[in-house]
Amino acid sequence: DAGVIQSPRHEVTEMGQEVTLRCKPISGHDYLFWYRQTMMRGLELLIYFNNNVPIDDSGMPEDRFSAKMPNASFSTLKIQPSEPRDSAVYFCASRPGQAISGANVLTFGAGSRLTVL
Amino acid sequence: AQSVTQLGSHVSVSEGALVLLRCNYSSSVPPYLFWYVQYPNQGLQLLLKYTTGATLVKGINGFEAEFKKSETSFHLTKPSAHMSDAAEYFCAVSGFNAGNMLTFGGGTRLMVKP
Repeated sequence: DAGVIQSPRHEVTEMGQEVTLRCKPISGHDYLFWYRQTMMRGLELLIYFNNNVPIDDSGMPEDRFSAKMPNASFSTLKIQPSEPRDSAVYFCASRPGQAISGANVLTFGAGSRLTVL
Repeated sequence: AQSVTQLGSHVSVSEGALVLLRCNYSSSVPPYLFWYVQYPNQGLQLLLKYTTGATLVKGINGFEAEFKKSETSFHLTKPSAHMSDAAEYFCAVSGFNAGNMLTFGGGTRLMVKP
């Protein structure tokens, strides 16, 4: 398996522009998570999905952020409009469901580094 | 409810010296405990985990951690640091149900001096 695939790896954009980050989880994983990492706030859980359904989005900072998972193999995190304070590394992670051994082990993607000027 | 505290956001050791990264947790249910490592410009990867059974857990690259329930700790150690161990290390806790989410500590950046 190729692991969790994220794109783009780096994104530089200007304030006000729309940003879309993409994630392909590991095949067969029922849970998908979006995290944000910054120096100031560390690793923050933004939202997670179970079987493509958003379960908890309480970590999404504001309405400018939205996430979707249209099918089991693809998710997007969108920021519209982007602001300089959104600059961070965004990680996607996935894991199996309860019935499978290692259910609580997250596998992370390599991250998308976003810079908003 | 659960939480993780990692003592020391930065730890510096000399090459060949003992590595000790501290982690204390709180959990209202029996915990699963994890250490993840993040190398520069990479995602987090699992170093080791404790679920049940033996309290001393061995992981990759010579690291190990011991679950001490009485101390609510899960400290990470390595007898001899190598330059390649320089990275950020995250301790995490979850409940034993798959529905329980991982809670991460704030991370400890390990620096290894030649």
